[in-house]
Amino acid sequence: DIQMTQSPSTLSASVGDRVTITCRASQSISSWLAWYQQKPGKAPKLLIYKASSLESGVPSRFSGSGSGTEFTLTISSLQPDDFATYYCQQYNSYFTFGPGTKVDIK
Amino acid sequence: EVQLVESGGGLVQPGRSLRLSCAASGFTFDDYAMHWVRQAPGKGLEWVSGISWNSGSIGYADSVKGRFTISRDNAKNSLYLQMNSLRAEDTALYYCAKCTKGQLEPYAPLDYWGQGTLVTVSS
Repeated sequence: DIQMTQSPSTLSASVGDRVTITCRASQSISSWLAWYQQKPGKAPKLLIYKASSLESGVPSRFSGSGSGTEFTLTISSLQPDDFATYYCQQYNSYFTFGPGTKVDIK
Repeated sequence: EVQLVESGGGLVQPGRSLRLSCAASGFTFDDYAMHWVRQAPGKGLEWVSGISWNSGSIGYADSVKGRFTISRDNAKNSLYLQMNSLRAEDTALYYCAKCTKGQLEPYAPLDYWGQGTLVTVSS
């Protein structure tokens, strides 16, 4: 089974900050990686798929990169609406989610 | 507008059964694979099961294999999850989610999610 890890587990940041979250897979998953945003009490929302493709309607301040085993999600300028938990998900073999990164207000 | 509405959750004793339903609307249901994903209280996301557009391909997480059965009725635009031999560790919010593709494999991201139905397994 493919295991996913994320770092950091919690990130404190301010509006306007550039934020980067890292996701690592236990084996190569090529570019079969998605990123989701989840706010408290809400369902997850797809942000990025195939490691770097932006889902329709998602602001361009979100970007993804990486391939193989290491991936990043970057928010270029953090906005008030972006405080949430972010999950990576591999879909190379079944689905596995990372443990999540909570982005909170500094 | 895509809508996924889960139902059927509740409080159930260990060892008992429960059947979850997901009513879909706003898209051509029988064009897409569908999945169940759960989230234990205060925890992360865990994939449970998935089914292809025509029910020809089905997958389960090891944690539920042999106990849970996924199915769909394309005529009713509905997805189901039959959960048997429930355990305390099955306690979670269960989400129904739409896949971006019709086939189950290769797997593909989930672009729409319902709001979830809560299953609590406790005596």
